[in-house]
Amino acid sequence: DIQMTQSPSTLSASVGDRVTITCRASQSISNYLSWYQQKPGKAPKLLINAASSLQSGVPSRFSGRGSGTDFTLTISSLQPEDLATYYCQQSYSNPSPHTFGGGTKVEI
Amino acid sequence: EVQLVESGGGLIQPGGSLRLSCAASGLTVNDNYMSWVRQAPGQGLQWVSVIYNDGSTYYADPVKGRFTISRDNSKNTLFLQMNSLRAEDTAVYYCARGGGWGSALDYWGQGTLVTVSS
Repeated sequence: DIQMTQSPSTLSASVGDRVTITCRASQSISNYLSWYQQKPGKAPKLLINAASSLQSGVPSRFSGRGSGTDFTLTISSLQPEDLATYYCQQSYSNPSPHTFGGGTKVEI
Repeated sequence: EVQLVESGGGLIQPGGSLRLSCAASGLTVNDNYMSWVRQAPGQGLQWVSVIYNDGSTYYADPVKGRFTISRDNSKNTLFLQMNSLRAEDTAVYYCARGGGWGSALDYWGQGTLVTVSS
C-alpha cells in the first residue's frame, strides 16, 4: 500500500501568516493527490483535487502544488476560520486503497 | 444540491453486526463511485470501502471479509453491512461520493457513530 506522510502534525500560527503543510507519498502518485479540511465536529470538506485544482467556493488563499511524491498545501494568509485539521489523500492506487495522511492540525 | 445522510450507528457488543445506511439526494448512487471512510475517536481518516458504478467492490485490509458494501438503486441508498465487530471498529463512519482512480471524495455525509463495547 502507498503510505502518505504529512508534516508537521501540529502547526501553530497567527492570523495573516503564510502556512505550508507537506505531504509525501511512499511512491510516485503523479498528481493524484487531494486535500481535505476538517473542522472540529464536522465532516471533511474537499479543498483541492489533482494536487492543485481548487474546488469551487474554496477561498483563493488556499493553494496546492506538487507532483510525484512531494506535495504542499499553502494558506497564503491564515484566517481564524481556517482552524482545522488538514488531510491529504492519494487516489493513485488502482483499485484501492486510497490512503490518507495522518493529518495536520492548524492552531491559531 | 447533493445531500448524503448516514444512519444506523449505535452501541453494539463485540462480535455483533450493524448495517449503516447512506441516503443520497441530488445524485444517483448507482451512477457514481461511492465510499465509506471512518474516523476513530481523536484519530485520523481511514478509507474503508468503495463500490464502483459497475458494482465492483473493494475493502481495506482491516475490514476485509467482515464488511460488505452494497447499494439499493430503488432507494438511492448506500449500505455498509458490518459483521464480527471489534472494539477497534469504533469510529464515526462517513459515506462520500468518489473513490475511483484519480477521483477525490467531493461530497460527504455528516457521519454516524459506531461504538463497539461490552
